[in-house]
Amino acid sequence: ETAVFQTPNYHVTQVGNEVSFNCKQTLGHDTMYWYKQDSKKLLKIMFSYNNKQLIVNETVPRRFSPQSSDKAHLNLRIKSVEPEDSAVYLCASSTSGNTEVFFGKGTRLTVV
Amino acid sequence: GEQVEQRPPHLSVPEGDSAVIICTYTDSATAYFYWYKQEPGAGLQLLMSVFSNVDRKEEQGLTVLLNKKDKQLSLNLTAAHPGDSAVYFCAVTASSGSWQLIFGSGTQLTVMP
Repeated sequence: ETAVFQTPNYHVTQVGNEVSFNCKQTLGHDTMYWYKQDSKKLLKIMFSYNNKQLIVNETVPRRFSPQSSDKAHLNLRIKSVEPEDSAVYLCASSTSGNTEVFFGKGTRLTVV
Repeated sequence: GEQVEQRPPHLSVPEGDSAVIICTYTDSATAYFYWYKQEPGAGLQLLMSVFSNVDRKEEQGLTVLLNKKDKQLSLNLTAAHPGDSAVYFCAVTASSGSWQLIFGSGTQLTVMP
């Protein structure tokens, strides 16, 4: 049963546009993440965030930024998308001290 | 840093046969191990988690073996059925304070009726 909800499911946009993806978790977790899954299905962490700390994978381009209004929400904003940003973006959450991470269904971004 | 290799990339088995997926990791401090399943158009479903003090764990037709000496983690699906067809990922993390999962490259499992 899904408890990490992502919208939209799909998004097609042109190079240079700004996009924003939403994520909400109803598990009561205090830590949320964004992962990128490329066309070869490889998964890489982008961000980890709780109310105390944002950790950024140093390989993530600066046009990507997470935005959080509360511990249940972590959105992902991409300023000026580029073709290599085409991927599936997976949101996830966990509880501090518990390493089990639960994922949403993902948002597939296509940049044309 | 930690690296995780997963094999095979593709695996096809007849219905009723077993399927084995293997991951090797590099960091001996790795403490937590996971298997995830991803069906088409879906997110990652957590199948099993194992702490490093466990060598074997069985749940609902799945067996996870952890060989710390060889730094190897395996998933065995006994009596696979077509509904098991999906991409399977192993993942590891060093400690409860670690902020990220390190994933294997995935195995596309096809179970033929």
